[in-house]
Amino acid sequence: DTEVTQTPKHLVMGMTNKKSLKCEQHMGHRAMYWYKQKAKKPPELMFVYSYEKLSINESVPSRFSPECPNSSLLNLHLHALQPEDSALYLCASSPMTEPRGKLFFGSGTQLSVL
Amino acid sequence: DAKTTQPTSMDCAEGRAANLPCNHSTISGNEYVYWYRQIHSQGPQYIIHGLKNNETNEMASLIITEDRKSSTLILPHATLRDTAVYYCIVRVEGAQKLVFGQGTRLTINP
Repeated sequence: DTEVTQTPKHLVMGMTNKKSLKCEQHMGHRAMYWYKQKAKKPPELMFVYSYEKLSINESVPSRFSPECPNSSLLNLHLHALQPEDSALYLCASSPMTEPRGKLFFGSGTQLSVL
Repeated sequence: DAKTTQPTSMDCAEGRAANLPCNHSTISGNEYVYWYRQIHSQGPQYIIHGLKNNETNEMASLIITEDRKSSTLILPHATLRDTAVYYCIVRVEGAQKLVFGQGTRLTINP
C-alpha cells in the first residue's frame, strides 16, 4: 500500500466554524507533512512531524492546529479561518531513512472559506 | 538548500523526448537533486532523484552535469498524460524539509 489518503476531498466552511482535515498512511513512514497550495502556486510547507512529534512549524498562524495521534494518522484542525486560507491542503509522508526527500502525497483537500 | 532555476513553461510533441532543464549553481556536495511533478488537481508525485551520477527509472532519466551545477530530466517518449508542472528541488541529505520552487509547466501536444 503506497497511498496517502486524505479526507474530505472538498470542504466548505464559514469563518466561525471548526473543522478537521484527516490524513492516513500505512507505509510505516515516521515523517508526515502538511503543505498548503494556492492556485497556480507551488506547495508551501506548513508543518513536519517526525516520530509523531512536531519538528517544524513554518510560522503558521495558530488558527491551524496540527495533531499526530499515532504513526499512521495526521490531522489538521481548523478554527476561525479567513477567506484567504482557501487553498488545496496536501498531506505527505516519507521514511526517516534516506531518501527522506521521497515524499508520498495525498490528493489533497480543497478548502473554501466563506 | 540551494536555489533552483527552471523555465516557466515548455512544450513538447507527443512521442518525442521531453528534456526539462534545471540550474542549481550553488549546490553543495551533500545536496541531492529531486524531481517531482504535479498533474492538475492531484498531489505532487515523486519522479527521481540523484546526487552526482546519472539515474534512470521506469518514469524518467536524470542527467546531472559533472560540476553538478545543472541537471536535466528526460521523459523519453512523452505522452499527453505527462502534461504537468515539473519541480526540480535541491535538498540537503538528512534535512526534514522539501521546499518547492516555481517549476516548469510542461505541455505535451498531440
